[in-house]
Amino acid sequence: SQQGEEDPQALSIQEGENATMNCSYKTSINNLQWYRQNSGRGLVHLILIRSNEREKHSGRLRVTLDTSKKSSSLLITASRAADTASYFCATGHVNNDMRFGAGTRLTVKP
Amino acid sequence: GAGVSQSPRYKVAKRGQDVALRCDPISGHVSLFWYQQALGQGPEFLTYFQNEAQLDKSGLPSDRFFAERPEGSVSTLKIQRTQQEDSAVYLCASSSTGVLNQPQHFGDGTRLSIL
Repeated sequence: SQQGEEDPQALSIQEGENATMNCSYKTSINNLQWYRQNSGRGLVHLILIRSNEREKHSGRLRVTLDTSKKSSSLLITASRAADTASYFCATGHVNNDMRFGAGTRLTVKP
Repeated sequence: GAGVSQSPRYKVAKRGQDVALRCDPISGHVSLFWYQQALGQGPEFLTYFQNEAQLDKSGLPSDRFFAERPEGSVSTLKIQRTQQEDSAVYLCASSSTGVLNQPQHFGDGTRLSIL
């Protein structure tokens, strides 16, 4: 069963704007990962944040994790049309491997 | 290529037929995963191998689904007596480590349509 729940389900922005996606989960995690999926393709790993970390950066990506609220956010700054994709969070738990949410579909209009 | 390769990319079968989906992971990767992705949804875990050992098959939806990785490299997901609800994209992923919850490399999937 899926663990993470992304919010919003869909997001449409103009090129150059920032995009923020949220992920909430129910049970304790070891880590949380974010993946991107372009239409008709496989998922691509973006970033992993451990349960004892609060924030990580990678290029234009910023991920935060609040374990007290059981939530994470992915911020994409200065978005580009090429960022158009679905974004998934995946929660890593103690005795099981990753479980994915239903994703946020991001559209960046040129 | 250096990535995870899946074949065929598209498969159409009639209800009741058996199908076999192939995954070539990245060379040397210890862990291999199969996922099922319905339209507009995230990947749902099916099964997990560490080398040739199938350590978790809790996500397989029924005994019609069977996966193997006999030599610890290529894996095959077999679905017997296919049903319309089996229509989905089947994704394979591999990871270099045997440690759980590490970044995975995905193939582009096999889109299975059952008529």
